[in-house]
Amino acid sequence: DGGITQSPKYLFRKEGQNVTLSCEQNLNHDAMYWYRQDPGQGLRLIYYSQIVNDFQKGDIAEGYSVSREKKESFPLTVTSAQKNPTAFYLCASSIGPAGGLSNSPLHFGNGTRLTVT
Amino acid sequence: SQKIEQNSEALNIQEGKTATLTCNYTNYSPAYLQWYRQDPGRGPVFLLLIRENEKEKRKERLKVTFDTTLKQSLFHITASQPADSATYLCALPASLNNAGNMLTFGGGTRLMVKP
Repeated sequence: DGGITQSPKYLFRKEGQNVTLSCEQNLNHDAMYWYRQDPGQGLRLIYYSQIVNDFQKGDIAEGYSVSREKKESFPLTVTSAQKNPTAFYLCASSIGPAGGLSNSPLHFGNGTRLTVT
Repeated sequence: SQKIEQNSEALNIQEGKTATLTCNYTNYSPAYLQWYRQDPGRGPVFLLLIRENEKEKRKERLKVTFDTTLKQSLFHITASQPADSATYLCALPASLNNAGNMLTFGGGTRLMVKP
């Protein structure tokens, strides 16, 4: 089955530690995205990548970093510079890129819940 | 930038009734609007897309309307079932020219269907 896999489901870290969240897709999608979801708030875009070896900051990129070395993988690192890292993180992909089927839906993984204490 | 308003209070309805959820946006009229369903602890799942030149879109028990004058989309579930209980999110293009297929999401409305 094609889809997006995020791992792990739950992640616990101590304050001051960097942590990397995994996202892998086998949908052959060009575009990939990272969103953060907090209770009562809409999804907020952290980073997105329209093609391999290229990525752009979203609305709340501070304290996060990404890489896109392979089409199927888009890992997110939450650094110690992120002031409020505890959240539910969602990875998504779409056929993309811009100018193509730009109204194509997003396919989401089932998220990683990160707790930093 | 676009702002989306969805009722943050949960909608409680009886099984068999029609559920109606509202999505209001504040700025430019988007080229399209999408609706997603999200279950607790899971990622959103795409349900329907409606374009600006479409007044209504249907899929099985789901119906979406799009009123660019009112800047509003309504999402209906007819003959609702307890299995329809979830949070429903609407999403619009983040920019006027829709570059990058980036979406702005509303906070979602939680629907509870009681048997």
